[in-house]
Amino acid sequence: QVQLQESGPGLVKPSETLSLTCSVSGASINTYYWIWVRQPAGKGLEWIGRIYTSGNTKSHPSLSSRVTMSMDRSKKQVSLQLTSVTVADTAIYFCAREEECGTACYSRHWGRGIPVTVSP
Amino acid sequence: DIVMTQSPDSLAVSLGERATINCKSSQSVLYTSNNKNYLAWYQVKPGQPPKLLIYWASTRESGVPDRFSGSGSETDFTLTISSLQAEDVAVYFCQQYFDTPPLFGGGTKVEIK
Repeated sequence: QVQLQESGPGLVKPSETLSLTCSVSGASINTYYWIWVRQPAGKGLEWIGRIYTSGNTKSHPSLSSRVTMSMDRSKKQVSLQLTSVTVADTAIYFCAREEECGTACYSRHWGRGIPVTVSP
Repeated sequence: DIVMTQSPDSLAVSLGERATINCKSSQSVLYTSNNKNYLAWYQVKPGQPPKLLIYWASTRESGVPDRFSGSGSETDFTLTISSLQAEDVAVYFCQQYFDTPPLFGGGTKVEIK
């Protein structure tokens, strides 16, 4: 079955870069779009961005200047980098696979999420 | 952006009673060429990833109990839990996927009265 697992440091200092990886198993990384979503403690879900099968990316306008996403097809991994982090970036970060609907789609398969804290 | 607004923020329902959650989009998410509403519902429990419950506004995901149902069209949608069970305590989110960014509603926390 499709499995996704996020990995990366759980603690990042303010102004530094948050780097996360999502490892995919049980599915081709070349067939679907892959997204990142985060949830600050006690708050709602925030869509961060998407990486397409082409490797092109689209991110939320509020984060686009700080977000970079990439794909390593040989390792079946997608990655997220968020630069110049602040305490407001403290959240649980999820990767997920978008089903095929068109411009965007719902997500059936999610990673377990990785908590990231931004603190000195 | 298509903004999603949920109500109420929280609700407490007795076991076995009905829970109703509303979601309103700032513009229609009905794609007229295929007559599908691009609207999904998720359940989020502490320490767990979002679980897809409903997509296309009313299609129940495989394995989801039939006490969960989705309805509505264009800009107004509802998630109904017909008979609340203890395991349904969670936060529920709607999401539009008509356009990018596919934004989520603010969430509705469901508790037992």
